[in-house]
Amino acid sequence: DIVMTQSPDSLAVSLGERATINCKSSQSLLYRSNNKNYLAWYQQKPGQPPKLLIYWASTRESGVPDRFSGSGSGTDFTLTISSLQAEDVAVYYCQQHYFTPHSFGPGTSLEIK
Amino acid sequence: QVQLQESGPGLVQPSQTLSLTCTVSGGTINSGNYYWSWIRRPAGKGLEWIGRIYVTGSTDYSTSLKSRVTISLDTSKNTFSLNLSSVTAADTAVYYCARGGRYDSYMDVWGKGTTVTVSS
Repeated sequence: DIVMTQSPDSLAVSLGERATINCKSSQSLLYRSNNKNYLAWYQQKPGQPPKLLIYWASTRESGVPDRFSGSGSGTDFTLTISSLQAEDVAVYYCQQHYFTPHSFGPGTSLEIK
Repeated sequence: QVQLQESGPGLVQPSQTLSLTCTVSGGTINSGNYYWSWIRRPAGKGLEWIGRIYVTGSTDYSTSLKSRVTISLDTSKNTFSLNLSSVTAADTAVYYCARGGRYDSYMDVWGKGTTVTVSS
């Protein structure tokens, strides 16, 4: 099974500042036939289901603010929030959607400093 | 637009079988373009992928849960279901159903989740 890790476990950032979350997979998630990385990012707020933010490592889901961006390839990926807003307080998960079982990272808790 | 809704008992006795159903509305489970998945989040822990099913009945399961999990679908009712046998307190969690693309597999539509507690 692919093991997903995230860093840091928790993060406190001031409003308007940049937040960066890292995700690493134990195997490459790059499918060379279409040059896509099968890595998604989800946001989960308390009492709500997870919400898809990013797929294929860097494609923003429709309706997601452009302050959210994803980057990386192969085994190393990053979610960046360019200017933190109060409504961004949540737990963020990466997930590989390449090999079953589609494992999640352990999550990163983001709060306001 | 497609919506998913989980339903089932909120309390299950230890060693019994947990059974949940996800009702799909606003779309057909038969479309062939999607997988239908179950995910859970134990209290204080992260998300755990349980498994998925395709319209043909083909399934994929979590390695750690494979011996206890069965996912099935009922196209006549536009639902899919989760059965988890021999439950313990460790199976207490919020359970979510979700839709994932057939070829890309990221999950873009989620149910609101249902809390299941395993306790006598």
